[in-house]
Amino acid sequence: AQKITQTQPGMFVQEKEAVTLDCTYDTSDPSYGLFWYKQPSSGEMIFLIYQGSYDQQNATEGRYSLNFQKARKSANLVISASQLGDSAMYFCAMREAMEYGNKLVFGAGTILRVKS
Amino acid sequence: EAEVAQSPRYKITEKSQAVAFWCDPISGHATLYWYRQILGQGPELLVQFQDESVVDDSQLPKDRFSAERLKGVDSTLKIQPAELGDSAMYLCASSLGQGHTGELFFGEGSRLTVL
Repeated sequence: AQKITQTQPGMFVQEKEAVTLDCTYDTSDPSYGLFWYKQPSSGEMIFLIYQGSYDQQNATEGRYSLNFQKARKSANLVISASQLGDSAMYFCAMREAMEYGNKLVFGAGTILRVKS
Repeated sequence: EAEVAQSPRYKITEKSQAVAFWCDPISGHATLYWYRQILGQGPELLVQFQDESVVDDSQLPKDRFSAERLKGVDSTLKIQPAELGDSAMYLCASSLGQGHTGELFFGEGSRLTVL
């Protein structure tokens, strides 16, 4: 069963505009974590932001914020004031707590292209 | 800043040949992961180590893939024989382990092309 769903294969945004990348997840575990990673064309995975399931407030890191709607099981990434360097692949991931440790499951990703 | 080291960055091989990838995690990180990422898709976990022990290799094609982390530090992922469908990015990551947020720190990846 798909645990992380990113329904937008690709997105375009105008430079300096805000963009929202969608992510929904599926888990029955009350304790979990949600991550967003950025992958530029060079291939490295860059951590952007983290939201714990018990966190009361939405996570923010600079221009990145996570719109966490627990009842809807969604964890959308909002990038404000888009820059050309934001063009990349973006992955949503969920941490599952296994008996042997943490496991991270990734979605299929969304390609973001920022237009000048 | 501490990084996860991987080598080689790029590998081109012919099918049926053997290939090996190496990963050195961030010092002190008990958990090490090998992910495979096919072009245009998300990373999929191949194998997960806790110290020197394999804790999850359910998605590792064991007939041709092997992984080891003998001293609980660096790790090697081997493919023998390589097949055309193995062309992908192989990502190594490490984390502090249970009790933390679970953030994974990734290396730059090893891009494999099988001809």
